[in-house]
Amino acid sequence: EVQLEESGGGLVQPGGSLRLSCAASGFTFSDYSMIWVRQAPGKGLEWVSYISSRSSTIYYADSVKGRFTISRDNARNSLYLQLNSLRAEDTAVYYCARGVDPWGQGTLVTVSS
Amino acid sequence: DIQMTQSPSSLPASVGDRVTITCRASQGISNFLAWFQQKPGKAPKSLIYAASTLQSGVPSKFSGSGSGTDFTLTISSLQPEDFATYYCQQYHSYPLTFGGGTKVEIK
Repeated sequence: EVQLEESGGGLVQPGGSLRLSCAASGFTFSDYSMIWVRQAPGKGLEWVSYISSRSSTIYYADSVKGRFTISRDNARNSLYLQLNSLRAEDTAVYYCARGVDPWGQGTLVTVSS
Repeated sequence: DIQMTQSPSSLPASVGDRVTITCRASQGISNFLAWFQQKPGKAPKSLIYAASTLQSGVPSKFSGSGSGTDFTLTISSLQPEDFATYYCQQYHSYPLTFGGGTKVEIK
């Protein structure tokens, strides 16, 4: 079964950092590009970042460019998102996804003092 | 950036109703359009990709159509488990963008 499982969310103060992880199983991870999407409480979906299968191409949403870093370790079947200089508006559930399907269950990041 | 406009934002409906949700792209995206269903507290679930192809395991009461800039998601006979929020997403180009969502709620 194809599965994605995020971890690493939590409560962090403004200006702080957090590293999210996404563990993939049930498919050849190294064959697929991956994305991160987030959803603020009560709001819609917002794409955050993209990474190609070999990490050769990376994109970011303007709202996170320069603060977030996407990476992957194909040997560990894992995707990462480093979140730096966090702001209150970054508070959201963060999902990893293999294109349009599947998505993980999400991990909540709360930025608050 | 490609803007995705979904309508309506709220759709009161009854069990057994046929419902249609519309999604319009600000520029042509061919058929690079996906539809998602999201229930409260859950991750979005992919229903349709390539505008009209059902994901494996998705019941045939869901159907998608369209190409270019105008797309629709139709649920042929609404069941209690279908009351949820639906999103469209274009994956023609980055940044990926989503519609604002349509909440299908009990009339």
